[in-house]
Amino acid sequence: GAGVSQSPSNKVTEKGKDVELRCDPISGHTALYWYRQSLGQGLEFLIYFQGNSAPDKSGLPSDRFSAERTGGSVSTLTIQRTQQEDSAVYLCASSHPGQHQETQYFGPGTRLLVL
Amino acid sequence: QKEVEQDPGPLSVPEGAIVSLNCTYSNSAFQYFMWYRQYSRKGPELLMYTYSSGNKEDGRFTAQVDKSSKYISLFIRDSQPSDSATYLCAMKAPGGTPKLVFGQGTRLTINP
Repeated sequence: GAGVSQSPSNKVTEKGKDVELRCDPISGHTALYWYRQSLGQGLEFLIYFQGNSAPDKSGLPSDRFSAERTGGSVSTLTIQRTQQEDSAVYLCASSHPGQHQETQYFGPGTRLLVL
Repeated sequence: QKEVEQDPGPLSVPEGAIVSLNCTYSNSAFQYFMWYRQYSRKGPELLMYTYSSGNKEDGRFTAQVDKSSKYISLFIRDSQPSDSATYLCAMKAPGGTPKLVFGQGTRLTINP
């Protein structure tokens, strides 16, 4: 079946602009995660959704970052007033509780460059 | 200090060599341990998943966990050029948010 998909693959934006990143999880996966991968920082957790609710937003680095999930499926990560330090690869993962030890399956990521 | 420490490398070895990749961690709450492989410009894919101390083998790959030392390893036998990738260790604690805490990743190159 189809894996996790993300769009766009690459995004170049100017400092101060808003960006929206999209994630389509594996069909039927109720859990969805956003991570950020920066040079020298590894993968860092941003936010976790169970269904449409986000019980853990502790990884969002500032209030410029927000995310939502609708219909228990697609999720959008929004970064407002982008800064150069927001440049990174944003990865989405999904999982199904109780399935395969709740393995998280990752998408290919969106590479964001803020000029 | 990070919760999970991993030498970022890069590590370069000849084809056929045995590769050893390692991570240490500080949070004793971690009970589940994973190794992900990430090819360039791709998302991480799960290689190994363990939740107890000891060894787990899958083909050419062996994952080792030592909870008393807070140390995990991944061994790759008969390494192939196709194994060239970044290897990430990841861990999570039971209960609460099932978020993964990752090491920095080790970039591995297998030379033909």
